[in-house]
Order: sequence, then structure tokens, then C-alpha cells
Amino acid sequence: EIVMTQSPATLSVSPGERATLSCRASQGISINLAWYQQKPGQAPRLLIYGASTRATGIPARFSGSWSGTEFTEFTLTISSLQSEDFAVYYCHQYDNWPPATFGQGTRLEIK
Amino acid sequence: QVQLVQSGAEVKKPGASVKVSCKASGYTFTNYGISWVRQARGQGLEWMGWISAYNGDTTYTQTFQGRVTMTTDTSTSTAYMELRSLRSDDTAVYYCARDGPVRGDPYDFWGQGTLVTVSS
Repeated sequence: EIVMTQSPATLSVSPGERATLSCRASQGISINLAWYQQKPGQAPRLLIYGASTRATGIPARFSGSWSGTEFTEFTLTISSLQSEDFAVYYCHQYDNWPPATFGQGTRLEIK
Repeated sequence: QVQLVQSGAEVKKPGASVKVSCKASGYTFTNYGISWVRQARGQGLEWMGWISAYNGDTTYTQTFQGRVTMTTDTSTSTAYMELRSLRSDDTAVYYCARDGPVRGDPYDFWGQGTLVTVSS
């Protein structure tokens, strides 16, 4: 089973600033990685799939990327934080499946 | 528009069973699968398993093997998740999510969640 590790657990950022969230896979997962945003009392919402493709209706300030050729290090960047962006973010690998696995989440809070 | 509408909250006693439904609309049900994901209060997302509405194949994570059954009714575009031998640590919100027809994919649509409370 692939273990997904997100960092940091909590990130404090001021509105208008950039936020960078990380997700590491215990082994290579190609680009079969998705990011979700979850607000209190709501279901998760798909932001990014294929590591870098924005889902329908997702603003351009959200971007996904990876580093290196091992496909274990992934990043979600929010370029200029809006008030509605403060939430919990999860990464999800669907490459080595089953099982699907999620990171433990990063809480993005207002500084 | 695509919607997944889940059944309402449940309160069950330890040892009982619960069956949660997920009614799909706005797309061809048999072209996709459904995954079930649960979330305990204040915790992260835990994948439980998947069913293909395309061919009925299922796969369950080891944690729930033997206690969970996922089914579909293609005549009503509804997926079901039954969890048996409930314990207090099964108290969680259970989500259905649209998935791939033959293997895992990103979850582009989610149900609203069903709170299952297990308490004596």
C-alpha cells in the first residue's frame, strides 16, 4: 500500500500571499495524484487531477506540480489566497490501486 | 448536472448493520464506478472500497474485508454500502464518490455524506 504524507500539518498564511502544500508518496505514482479541498461540514471538492490539471470550474490561482522523475514529490500552490481558500487540503493517489490512499491533510489557516 | 444524493443519518447499536444509499443522476450510471470513503469526526479521509456500476466488480480495503458489501441497482442508478457488526469506532460520515468504471480514478463528484452514529 502506498503511504501518502502531507506537510505541513497546519499552514498559517495571510490573505493575498502564496501557499505551498506538499505531498510525498512512499513510491512512484506517475502523475496519478489528485488534490481536494474540504470545508467544515462539506464533502471534499476536486481541485486538481493528473497532478497538474485543474478540475472544471477551479480558479487559476490553484496549480499542481511535481518535482523530479521519481514521481514521489507533489505540490499544490495557491498563488494569492482568498478568504474562501482557508480549508483542509488532501492529496489522493490512484496509481497503485487498490487501495486508493489519501494523505492525512493540511489545514490552511488565516495568519 | 451530476448529483449523488445519499440517504439520511443513522443511529445504530453496536453489533448492528447499516445500509447507506447513494442515488446518482445527471450522467450514465453504468459508465462509472462508485467508491465509498469515510471520515471520523476531526479525522482524515479513509477509502473503504469500490464497485463498478459497469460490470459489478468490487474491491474492498483489508480493514473492512468481511464486514462490508457494496452493491448497485442499475435500474434506479443507486449504489449501496452495507457495513455489518458495527463498533463505536465506525461512527463517521460516509461519502460516496464517482469513480472509474474499471479502476480507480480521481473523484470528481461526491455525495453530501451520511452520518452514521454507533452508540449503545
